[in-house]
Amino acid sequence: GESVGLHLPTLSVQEGDNSIINCAYSNSASDYFIWYKQESGKGPQFIIDIRSNMDKRQGQRVTVLLNKTVKHLSLQIAATQPGDSAVYFCAEMRNNNDMRFGAGTRLTVKP
Amino acid sequence: DTGVSQDPRHKITKRGQNVTFRCDPISEHNRLYWYRQTLGQGPEFLTYFQNEAQLEKSRLLSDRFSAERPKGSFSTLEIQRTEQGDSAMYLCASSPGSRETQYFGPGTRLLVL
Repeated sequence: GESVGLHLPTLSVQEGDNSIINCAYSNSASDYFIWYKQESGKGPQFIIDIRSNMDKRQGQRVTVLLNKTVKHLSLQIAATQPGDSAVYFCAEMRNNNDMRFGAGTRLTVKP
Repeated sequence: DTGVSQDPRHKITKRGQNVTFRCDPISEHNRLYWYRQTLGQGPEFLTYFQNEAQLEKSRLLSDRFSAERPKGSFSTLEIQRTEQGDSAMYLCASSPGSRETQYFGPGTRLLVL
């Protein structure tokens, strides 16, 4: 399944499917991007990051893609599991160390 | 546990009272950040420290808010004369240095009645 981040804040996928969460960032000067996962009542948890000199980075079951031309960031989660259910935030860091978060996308994994 | 810790986890106070929150960053992290998060929104930057120096403050940080990091280790965030609009989750994060990954604590949830 896919989401368009701020415009579709909820994404529901079947367990075992791949998930794609999208994020449009605002500042072309941003050069560092981070994805965080936040479970209810907890602080954001770092998932993966990418700097602007790269367009793809892979972690364990997660991949981040960066398209600087259209200022778009996506998080792909392979073989989504119930434990992946959470709100996912993309964050952009600008040259003044100010990190700005998007509103987030709530991912729900159906068994 | 070597993560970021915050205390208290929850605080209920009456309007007009002062509250103080504490954050203990990851050991040896030079940078410490404070954020505020309201329901359904992403965290909003408030301020950050490089060691004991407060280097930047958001315009969200009104005169009633003050943050300190006196010895470059733990930090406190004080809100004076609390208002109902101050009700939020207050998050602390730390990073090893400039423009590096920020690791968050569990947050302090404040409710102002």
